[in-house]
Amino acid sequence: SQTIHQWPATLVQPVGSPLSLECTVEGTSNPNLYWYRQAAGRGLQLLFYSVGIGQISSEVPQNLSASRPQDRQFILSSKKLLLSDSGFYLCAWSVLGQGAEAFFGQGTRLTVV
Amino acid sequence: GEDVEQSLFLSVREGDSSVINCTYTDSSSTYLYWYKQEPGAGLQLLTYIFSNMDMKQDQRLTVLLNKKDKHLSLRIADTQTGDSAIYFCAESITGANNLFFGTGTRLTVIP
Repeated sequence: SQTIHQWPATLVQPVGSPLSLECTVEGTSNPNLYWYRQAAGRGLQLLFYSVGIGQISSEVPQNLSASRPQDRQFILSSKKLLLSDSGFYLCAWSVLGQGAEAFFGQGTRLTVV
Repeated sequence: GEDVEQSLFLSVREGDSSVINCTYTDSSSTYLYWYKQEPGAGLQLLTYIFSNMDMKQDQRLTVLLNKKDKHLSLRIADTQTGDSAIYFCAESITGANNLFFGTGTRLTVIP
């Protein structure tokens, strides 16, 4: 069966520090991978998605970047965190042709102080 | 871009029915979904409906789709305290690689 792992679950980082959140998927090949950010009262904002290794699409300009070094690994990064980067970050995967249903990780609560 | 809207809050008494509503703008949607998010956790798919269907029932859950009005609803019968969560509707659109999510409705069940 397919599983998705996202870590860490919580993270407190000072302003200006770097960030690296990792997401891995097991049990499927060539998935579409996504990073979402959830802000209170604003639903889910799609940050990045990837349809293959090294292929990253950015939905909103911001202080973050994403990379996909392997088929089932998706990394969200920042060189210098801002206070506004605080939020709940969710990784997800889907496979086209199956109704685009998305499966989510447990999320990372990032607090920038 | 695509716009999916939901009201932010809903409170119901335990045992009553809950109805969570969602409107969307893109008529080329293929599937529409309801996800549930419990506190501090990721999203779990509750149910989905293909865009050529009007209704889908799954135990206590009933999904109604009015494609003409672009309106989707989720009815939870006999709502329990364990149903308290945030509910997101989402749509997939032909040719798009991702789902478009609503803002989420926080359902509070009062004992």
